[in-house]
Amino acid sequence: QQQVKQSPQSLIVQKGGISIINCAYENTAFDYFPWYQQFPGKGPALLIAIRPDVSEKKEGRFTISFNKSAKQFSLHIMDSQPGDSATYFCAAGDGSSNTGKLIFGQGTTLQVKP
Amino acid sequence: GAVVSQHPSRVICKSGTSVKIECRSLDFQATTMFWYRQFPKQSLMLMATSNEGSKATYEQGVEKDKFLINHASLTLSTLTVTSAHPEDSSFYICSAPRDYNNEQFFGPGTRLTVL
Repeated sequence: QQQVKQSPQSLIVQKGGISIINCAYENTAFDYFPWYQQFPGKGPALLIAIRPDVSEKKEGRFTISFNKSAKQFSLHIMDSQPGDSATYFCAAGDGSSNTGKLIFGQGTTLQVKP
Repeated sequence: GAVVSQHPSRVICKSGTSVKIECRSLDFQATTMFWYRQFPKQSLMLMATSNEGSKATYEQGVEKDKFLINHASLTLSTLTVTSAHPEDSSFYICSAPRDYNNEQFFGPGTRLTVL
């Protein structure tokens, strides 16, 4: 029940296209859903995050769509660029647990072709 | 965003030696820090929660005597890999939440290679 399932494992998109990565969770206590971007040999960087009180959040070319009833959330990268090529991780956190822990998805390797 | 640093960024050691990795929150205080381990092309695996002024909380399957964690101040946590072996070679990453809303900021990671 603590798992966060992420798909696809890898994704190839042409420059200018839309990249879509999906995540699903089981634990209804989760109330914080961040996305992280990680380049090879670097630590993950927080990209964008959403809480269940909204269904969508947009920051620049990055949008999170959140479906509370389906227990799913997704990351959309509009106008994908070669510089977006990285590994993306979704995660989920339970604020009521007071542990601060995040449960991470398996990761998606995105390649944007020029 | 908040800044978390790690030192060293890379370390190579001989089998049987101990290695200490530092994690610092540079612009905020962190009563809690997290230590992760990441193998190539895999996700982050939470090893332990470092608590300032008290014992660390280890995840199931993580040997507390092998991975010693000390959170001596509100800005510093250390992970010591004791009697390192080649199978301990990995990418170790720390993170710190800036406040109590789960928002975590990660360090740049430490690449450990045990020969």
